[in-house]
Amino acid sequence: GNSVTQMEGPVTLSEEAFLTINCTYTATGYPSLFWYVQYPGEGLQLLLKATKADDKGSNKGFEATYRKETTSFHLEKGSVQVSDSAVYFCALSHYTGNQFYFGTGTSLTVIP
Amino acid sequence: NAGVTQTPKFRVLKTGQSMTLLCAQDMNHEYMYWYRQDPGMGLRLIHYSVGEGTTAKGEVPDGYNVSRLKKQNFLLGLESAAPSQTSVYFCASSYRGLAGVYNEQFFGPGTRLTVL
Repeated sequence: GNSVTQMEGPVTLSEEAFLTINCTYTATGYPSLFWYVQYPGEGLQLLLKATKADDKGSNKGFEATYRKETTSFHLEKGSVQVSDSAVYFCALSHYTGNQFYFGTGTSLTVIP
Repeated sequence: NAGVTQTPKFRVLKTGQSMTLLCAQDMNHEYMYWYRQDPGMGLRLIHYSVGEGTTAKGEVPDGYNVSRLKKQNFLLGLESAAPSQTSVYFCASSYRGLAGVYNEQFFGPGTRLTVL
């Protein structure tokens, strides 16, 4: 079946540090892949997405590349800010169904 | 556009009481979803709908019922609330784009429910 596995947190970084949050998936064919961000007390917001292999999604300094060969979609940011403190969710959707599959979320705290 | 809205934002129930959570979207999306979010569990799908008048069970449907009488609204009901249903509930909507690609889900702000 379809599933998403992301690295467990919590992750604590100093401001301006490099961020990587790992995400791997299991699915047949070519799912669409997403990263969502959830700030405290709010709903999930789409951060970036990629719909085919080798696509790179980017937004607000975050990037993730759809790697079919390693079934991965790792989230990266070169220099995190305190305002990036949030929970990040990796997700996939598959053309054979109408459900999304979410990872369990990774909590990020950035300290000044 | 308001996007996806949820009412109420907070609610406290006693065990055995009933309530209905309302989700509304103004984006003309076909698909709507109800999730619950619990610490360490991520998001779990309760029920979903692929169009007006249709509903389907998700991963954790027990104790909940849903209805989609209008395309823009998706209601989640708890007939007899239990403490295990204490959670944050999120509604989401989505659409299917060209070439059958399922596009991103748009989320509401959530309803925080406590069952005593």
